[in-house]
Amino acid sequence: EAGVVQSPRYKIIEKKQPVAFWCNPISGHNTLYWYLQNLGQGPELLIRYENEEAVDDSQLPKDRFSAERLKGVDSTLKIQPAELGDSAVYLCASSFSLAGDTGELFFGEGSRLTVL
Amino acid sequence: LAKTTQPISMDSYEGQEVNITCSHNNIATNDYITWYQQFPSQGPRFIIQGYKTKVTNEVASLFIPADRKSSTLSLPRVSLSDTAVYYCLIVSGTYKYIFGTGTRLKVLA
Repeated sequence: EAGVVQSPRYKIIEKKQPVAFWCNPISGHNTLYWYLQNLGQGPELLIRYENEEAVDDSQLPKDRFSAERLKGVDSTLKIQPAELGDSAVYLCASSFSLAGDTGELFFGEGSRLTVL
Repeated sequence: LAKTTQPISMDSYEGQEVNITCSHNNIATNDYITWYQQFPSQGPRFIIQGYKTKVTNEVASLFIPADRKSSTLSLPRVSLSDTAVYYCLIVSGTYKYIFGTGTRLKVLA
């Protein structure tokens, strides 16, 4: 069974340019997460989806970041415009979560963004 | 959400047992303790999860004392390939998975 697929793996852009990351979760997983990971730090949650609904986006910088999960499957994370401080790895994770269940997270390999 | 504290780094030699302790004083009754492993250029990977006492799988063991305010991840006979960052997380039914800075384990030959 395929794991969580992310693309692109690497992206280099100039500041003020837009960028988008795509995530295809494991089939059947209802919960999808986007994390940001800076060098030497642990992943930080940006947004969590249950099916197509964003149930926790409190840490998403909404002035420049946006995300969507159409039809409750694939998801896209967008940054517009990108700033130098956005250089990081963007990780997507999915899980099958039932009420009260602590489902295991499955991560993709991440998308490494470099803003020049 | 319970905050976790774990050592920033550890060194070990091949063949040794490694124990990484995590403190989580504010753990709630319904929270679980979960450990993830992360290699460079990869996303974190689930290792083990437990609620109390001891849990063992093919990769590691997790020891949780009765008060549940700490936990210890035990890796038996580590090899060079176990060099990674290990994260301790407290997971609740709200599905908030909060990662700290983790413990960087370096296994030496």
